Amino acid sequence: QSALTQPASVSGSPGQSITISCTGTSSDVGGYNYVSWYQQHPGKAPKLMIYDVSNRPSGVSNRFSASKSGNTASLTISGLQAEDEGDYYCSSYTSSSIVVFGGGTKLTVL
Amino acid sequence: QVQLQESGPGLVKPSETLSLTCTVSGGSISSYYWSWIRQPPGKRLEWIGYIYYSVSTTYNPSLKSRVTISMDTSKNQFSLKLSSVTAADTAVYYCARDLRGYGAPDYWGQGTLVTVSS
Repeated sequence: QSALTQPASVSGSPGQSITISCTGTSSDVGGYNYVSWYQQHPGKAPKLMIYDVSNRPSGVSNRFSASKSGNTASLTISGLQAEDEGDYYCSSYTSSSIVVFGGGTKLTVL
Repeated sequence: QVQLQESGPGLVKPSETLSLTCTVSGGSISSYYWSWIRQPPGKRLEWIGYIYYSVSTTYNPSLKSRVTISMDTSKNQFSLKLSSVTAADTAVYYCARDLRGYGAPDYWGQGTLVTVSS
């Protein structure tokens, strides 16, 4: 099972919006509404930000939103803040009944 | 508040077996899916597998021949064993809780670095 494809890096200025894409196949992202997004700061464990394509766990800011179209999922962060800087990973359930992660995207807040 | 804590040796010799335990507090492990996920230094996350209700396991096919995940409900712990390790198995290993088994762990341990080296 191949990893999902994410851009290596994205950047934005405070207050702006950025979008991170996550591309898979019909056997994972396109086939199931079980895409999740995680935020990871250096030396820390990942934090679940989005599950089931577009649902936010309790406590996650509504500045984080997500969607899916075909085999590509997207995470949008609006009103960018310095604390949003870090690595972002997507994951998806697959037709093999396993979970596959994306390669990760480094978000830099300029 | 559910908390998870990994424990085990930080250094394992090549060809030996890596063994880690995750202790769960603040909730019973008799429900939910309990996962192991790893991250080699500077690299992406890799899903290893999970255990459900103490007897049902699912493993990443790329590791399946070397992985065993087990559970001890009396101690509220679950464990990972990875055999015949090589330097490629050097990583931070995380344990995590997945509510439904579809890959959305909501609680994670802090992670523990395991280095494979002689």
